[in-house]
Amino acid sequence: DVKVTQSSRYLVKRTGEKVFLECVQDMDHENMFWYRQDPGLGLRLIYFSYDVKMKEKGDIPEGYSVSREKKERFSLILESASTNQTSMYLCASRGSAGTGGEQFFGPGTRLTVL
Amino acid sequence: AQSVTQLDSQVPVFEEAPVELRCNYSSSVSVYLFWYVQYPNQGLQLLLKYLSGSTLVKGINGFEAEFNKSQTSFHLRKPSVHISDTAEYFCAVSDHHQAGTALIFGKGTTLSVSS
Repeated sequence: DVKVTQSSRYLVKRTGEKVFLECVQDMDHENMFWYRQDPGLGLRLIYFSYDVKMKEKGDIPEGYSVSREKKERFSLILESASTNQTSMYLCASRGSAGTGGEQFFGPGTRLTVL
Repeated sequence: AQSVTQLDSQVPVFEEAPVELRCNYSSSVSVYLFWYVQYPNQGLQLLLKYLSGSTLVKGINGFEAEFNKSQTSFHLRKPSVHISDTAEYFCAVSDHHQAGTALIFGKGTTLSVSS
C-alpha cells in the first residue's frame, strides 16, 4: 500500500517558534508538494519540489521555507511561527511526467500557533 | 492559466437521493481531471480520474463522473448517497503536457447527507 506520511497529526506551537513539518513518501516520486488548507479557501500551494535539492514557490510561500535533501523526504519550515499560520498542512507526492497520475496525500498536520 | 470552479460550496441531500457535484475548468490545452474526497481530519483520497479514453469514468464508492470537453465540465454523480458519503469533495485539473506539476484544485464542495 503506497503511503505518504506526515510526522505529526496535531501540533501546538507558540508565536515565534521555529516549526518543522516532515513528510515522507515511499513511492519513489520525483515531485512533492506542501499545501495549506483553510475553510472557504480550499487548498493553497505553498512550495513544491521536482527533484532533490530543487524547490519552487507556490502561491503563498511567504513565511515558509522547504528542504529536500533526500528524494523521499520533503520538509516544511516555519522560521518564526505566527498565529495566521494556524492551519491544516497537507503534503502530497506525484510521479514524473508521462505517468499522468494523481497526487497522493498524507493525513495532514493540524497546526495551532498560540 | 488553469483554474477550477466548483459551482456549489455546500450540497445538502437526503439519504438514498441522487447527487451531482458540479465542476468546471478552464484550460487551453488537453487536461487530466480528478475528483478527491476528504473526510473530517483526514487527507485527500482519490475518488476517480480522467486521463483519456471513455468520457464516463467510474470511481470508488459508487461515484462516477463525465468529462465534457465542449462544456469544460467534469461533474461528479452518485445515484443513491449514504450517510457515510458526508465529506468535502474537491475537483482538480492538471495540464496534460505538464503531468509532473501540481494539480490545480477547486475550493471544494461540502456534501451533507441526512436521514
